[in-house]
Amino acid sequence: DADVTQTPRNRITKTGKRIMLECSQTKGHDRMYWYRQDPGLGLRLIYYSFDVKDINKGEISDGYSVSRQAQAKFSLSLESAIPNQTALYFCATSSEQSVYGYTFGSGTRLTVV
Amino acid sequence: KQEVTQIPAALSVPEGENLVLNCSFTDSAIYNLQWFRQDPGKGLTSLLLIQSSQREQTSGRLNASLDKSSGRSTLYIAASQPGDSATYLCAVKNTGNQFYFGTGTSLTVIP
Repeated sequence: DADVTQTPRNRITKTGKRIMLECSQTKGHDRMYWYRQDPGLGLRLIYYSFDVKDINKGEISDGYSVSRQAQAKFSLSLESAIPNQTALYFCATSSEQSVYGYTFGSGTRLTVV
Repeated sequence: KQEVTQIPAALSVPEGENLVLNCSFTDSAIYNLQWFRQDPGKGLTSLLLIQSSQREQTSGRLNASLDKSSGRSTLYIAASQPGDSATYLCAVKNTGNQFYFGTGTSLTVIP
């Protein structure tokens, strides 16, 4: 099983719909992140969480919300999806200790029509 | 805010060549720097992680160096193979515990 699992892998949704992307990890890491990737723009941070009670906005949080249900689970919601939220979404984890870098999930390709 | 730049954006080389990918960053107060590989439509696979106190890390045909004072890192790939074709991303972890990514170098190794 993958260390960081994202569901769904692919999703097509209509404008205005609410959608949730889920992420779970078996790394035991305390920190979790949501990124989106767009061609030519690289990865941009949406939200991050350093523990269950800690939620922080990233660079592009507008239109998104998150929930850290447990140390191992971090979900991203689009309350009312719009076409410019079409992108590849990644969940990542890391540990507090600086010796560790990121571990990424395989991504969710979201298309808003 | 940390800014990470990767040059070139795309690179095409014949199989067997040695090559260097570059990553530069504006704020030298970093904890570590990580190199990733991304295949089209796929997730990111960690290749090498260099701590701020280190100068280089090696894994197989890959060697990554770090020069904090000049804000630069290089990823050296020896004897390139078609299977090395992918996008390579560098990410810098700042003292604020956030990671900042470059936009990547797309590598094509021609058989």
